[in-house]
Amino acid sequence: DAGVIQSPRHEVTEMGQEVTLRCKPISGHNSLFWYRQTMMRGLELLIYFNNNVPIDDSGMPEDRFSAKMPNASFSTLKIQPSEPRDSAVYFCASSRTGGAEAFFGQGTRLTVV
Amino acid sequence: RKEVEQDPGPFNVPEGATVAFNCTYSNSASQSFFWYRQDCRKEPKLLMSVYSSGNEDGRFTAQLNRASQYISLLIRDSKLSDSATYLCVAHSNYQLIWGAGTKLIIKP
Repeated sequence: DAGVIQSPRHEVTEMGQEVTLRCKPISGHNSLFWYRQTMMRGLELLIYFNNNVPIDDSGMPEDRFSAKMPNASFSTLKIQPSEPRDSAVYFCASSRTGGAEAFFGQGTRLTVV
Repeated sequence: RKEVEQDPGPFNVPEGATVAFNCTYSNSASQSFFWYRQDCRKEPKLLMSVYSSGNEDGRFTAQLNRASQYISLLIRDSKLSDSATYLCVAHSNYQLIWGAGTKLIIKP
C-alpha cells in the first residue's frame, strides 16, 4: 500500500492567493482527518470526515478554509484567500477505525509570503 | 488547561541511558491511548498503543494509570536513533486529542 498521499509537498504562495491541498487516503479507510502543525500551536485537528461526510469542522479557523471529500479516495483543503499566518505544515491522515490509529501523509509545507 | 499535557523538553539523554516521560489527560472518558513518534520535518507515526495492563515492545514500555489519568513511556538502552518528538494521544469516539509532544535528544 502506498500510504496516505498528499500533494504538493511544498507550496509557496503570495498572500491573497488561493491554495488547494490534496489528499488520497489509504484504500479501505473510512475516516479522514486534516491537521495543521505549527511550532506555536502543535498539531491541530481542522476537520474530520467519516464515509466522505464532514463530521466535525469545528477546528477550521475561519471561512477562508474549506474542505471537501467528493469520494472515498480524494479530499481537498482549500484556503482562499491565503494569509501569512496560514503558513504551517498541513497533514492529512486516514484511519480504518474512526481515529484510533491514524496514518499520516508526508504533509504539505505551506509558506504564504 | 490542555486536554493532553506533556513536558515539551527537550530531554537530553546520553546514549544507553533509560528515559521516561509522562503525559496527563483530563477527559476521564478517553477510551484508548497511543504514543506517536515524529522525526524532524516528518509526519507522526504510531509507536505503540497503551493498555491498562501495560505493554512492552522491545526497549519501549508504555503504561496507563487511569486513576491518576496519566500515561507513560519508558525507553531503555536509548539509541541515537531514538532522538525524536514523542506525542501522546488520547482517543475518545472519533477524536484523537494530541499532546504537544516531548522532544528527546540522545547524545553520544
